[in-house]
Amino acid sequence: KNQVEQSPQSLIILEGKNCTLQCNYTVSPFSNLRWYKQDTGRGPVSLTIMTFSENTKSNGRYTATLDADTKQSSLHITASQLSDSASYICVVSYYTDKLIFGTGTRLQVFP
Amino acid sequence: DAGVIQSPRHEVTEMGQEVTLRCKPISGHDYLFWYRQTMMRGLELLIYFNNNVPIDDSGMPEDRFSAKMPNASFSTLKIQPSEPRDSAVYFCASSLGGSWAGDKAETQYFGPGTRLLVL
Repeated sequence: KNQVEQSPQSLIILEGKNCTLQCNYTVSPFSNLRWYKQDTGRGPVSLTIMTFSENTKSNGRYTATLDADTKQSSLHITASQLSDSASYICVVSYYTDKLIFGTGTRLQVFP
Repeated sequence: DAGVIQSPRHEVTEMGQEVTLRCKPISGHDYLFWYRQTMMRGLELLIYFNNNVPIDDSGMPEDRFSAKMPNASFSTLKIQPSEPRDSAVYFCASSLGGSWAGDKAETQYFGPGTRLLVL
């Protein structure tokens, strides 16, 4: 069964600290993996997209990694800021147009 | 560009009524997606269009849901009749390309969403 699981469900960290969010998937055939950031009350915003051959991709303080062999991805946030408080959603594409969404990790950054 | 535009932003209606949600994609984008988001199920893809043609509607929950894209700059999602379990946030998104395209083309840009409450 095609699934995308994210952990942890929620996370609280202090401003300035680093954190890592996990995404494990059982999706085949894999097309690409995306990380989205969704602020409360707003639509998701794309952070990164990675295809099979890409191991890492950065977007400012956000760095995503992908291990296609173990079917795991992580999103690392460096030097967190209050504005990083949001839900982070992992989405995996398979075939050419199928999408599986994770349930997201809710991150709260406190001063 | 103003981004993806959705209307209304909020909708409260009574069970049995018809609901129409509207979306204007980013100019030049060939793909338009309709999503539904609830606390229980997260984000779900309902349907998507390529060049105004519905490609995959397998995510549409029931025959009560229908979507149209009469032209490249406008799409509607209609629920008739509406039920309380349809209460959710409905997002519209657009992109230049599909999943098989390059990095830039695959990015989906989401609208602000329509919060629907069916009483």
